[in-house]
Amino acid sequence: DGGITQSPKYLFRKEGQNVTLSCEQNLNHDAMYWYRQDPGQGLRLIYYSQIVNDFQKGDIAEGYSVSREKKESFPLTVTSAQKNPTAFYLCASTGRALPTEAFFGQGTRLTVV
Amino acid sequence: DAKTTQPTSMDCAEGRAANLPCNHSTISGNEYVYWYRQIHSQGPQYIIHGLKNNETNEMASLIITEDRKSSTLILPHATLRDTAVYYCIVRVAGGTASKLTFGTGTRLQVTL
Repeated sequence: DGGITQSPKYLFRKEGQNVTLSCEQNLNHDAMYWYRQDPGQGLRLIYYSQIVNDFQKGDIAEGYSVSREKKESFPLTVTSAQKNPTAFYLCASTGRALPTEAFFGQGTRLTVV
Repeated sequence: DAKTTQPTSMDCAEGRAANLPCNHSTISGNEYVYWYRQIHSQGPQYIIHGLKNNETNEMASLIITEDRKSSTLILPHATLRDTAVYYCIVRVAGGTASKLTFGTGTRLQVTL
């Protein structure tokens, strides 16, 4: 079945360490997105990519980096520069054909101690 | 993409219709209205979308005003499982993807 997979579901890291969150999709979608969600809050866009080897900053890109070397994959690195990295991270993808709804992964809950 | 405004929270009795409003007064002619919902600690799920006509599917109905400046998502017979945060967004559909921005949504609480 086609879908979007995030791994791991839970991740613990020590403060000051970089950590990379995985996002893979087999939907043949061109666009992929990363969001951060804090408790009781909405989704805030970190980065998005419309095609391979290209990506744009979202609303809260500071302290994060991404790459898009393959169409299927859009990993997110949370760097030590991110002041409050503990959050729920969601990855999404959209295709070109209507209705171009977004498909989401199940999220990764990152806890930095 | 146009910005949307939704109430922070709403309550609905089980079995009754839940009507969730959304204002999108700056919507452009080529922007669609999409609705998603997020059940606690899961990824958002697509519900329905529309351009200017009313739409219905197995999950919900979408009513868009004639001037397209607002819309209402209707869950005809709400159940406890419909308790979730509902997001209304507007964006251009098809072709090269644009920025996909979510607001804070409406927290719907369905009660017995």
